[in-house]
Amino acid sequence: EAQVTQNPRYLITVTGKKLTVTCSQNMNHEYMSWYRQDPGLGLRQIYYSMNVEVTDKGDVPEGYKVSRKEKRNFPLILESPSPNQTSLYFCASSLRRRESTEAFFGQGTRLTVV
Amino acid sequence: AQSVSQHNHHVILSEAASLELGCNYSYGGTVNLFWYVQYPGQHLQLLLKYFSGDPLVKGIKGFEAEFIKSKFSFNLRKPSVQWSDTAEYFCAVNPTSGTYKYIFGTGTRLKVLA
Repeated sequence: EAQVTQNPRYLITVTGKKLTVTCSQNMNHEYMSWYRQDPGLGLRQIYYSMNVEVTDKGDVPEGYKVSRKEKRNFPLILESPSPNQTSLYFCASSLRRRESTEAFFGQGTRLTVV
Repeated sequence: AQSVSQHNHHVILSEAASLELGCNYSYGGTVNLFWYVQYPGQHLQLLLKYFSGDPLVKGIKGFEAEFIKSKFSFNLRKPSVQWSDTAEYFCAVNPTSGTYKYIFGTGTRLKVLA
């Protein structure tokens, strides 16, 4: 089954404790991205990757890191989480072809930083 | 700057009422257009998409959208809503060149009263 898998689904952590949210897709998609969803603000892109070893900042990259060592995985790293990073996070993947750019989303990770 | 505007933030309808959600975008080049739906507690799922051809596209669950290039609009419609359509709806555009970055609107929360 084609899917994007995020883990964990729920996470409560303390300020400053490094954490990683994993994202994996099984569709051989080149493009992967991370979004955060906050009430009234919709989805805002944090980072994206157009292929292995190619990553770039989105609209709200501060406080986040990513890596893309393999095509299927795109982890999101919070080196020193702060309460303003409490949010719902989604990973997405898609092909980079003109007529096949539909994005597939993971189930989401609800992060609370206290 | 590229942006997507969804004018209706909250919509409340009774069952069987007709629905139209507005979406306008600003981007000078060619784009792919999407509507995604997010049911309570779930991830985003594709409702319908437009790449080229007939500007009136039909999606799942009786939804349709019309692309009007001259107005930079991609409004979502459904003739008769059901209680199960209660969800948040996101319009998104995706340039067909460059970074293939998705740009999302801020979403419209639809509540359908039984």
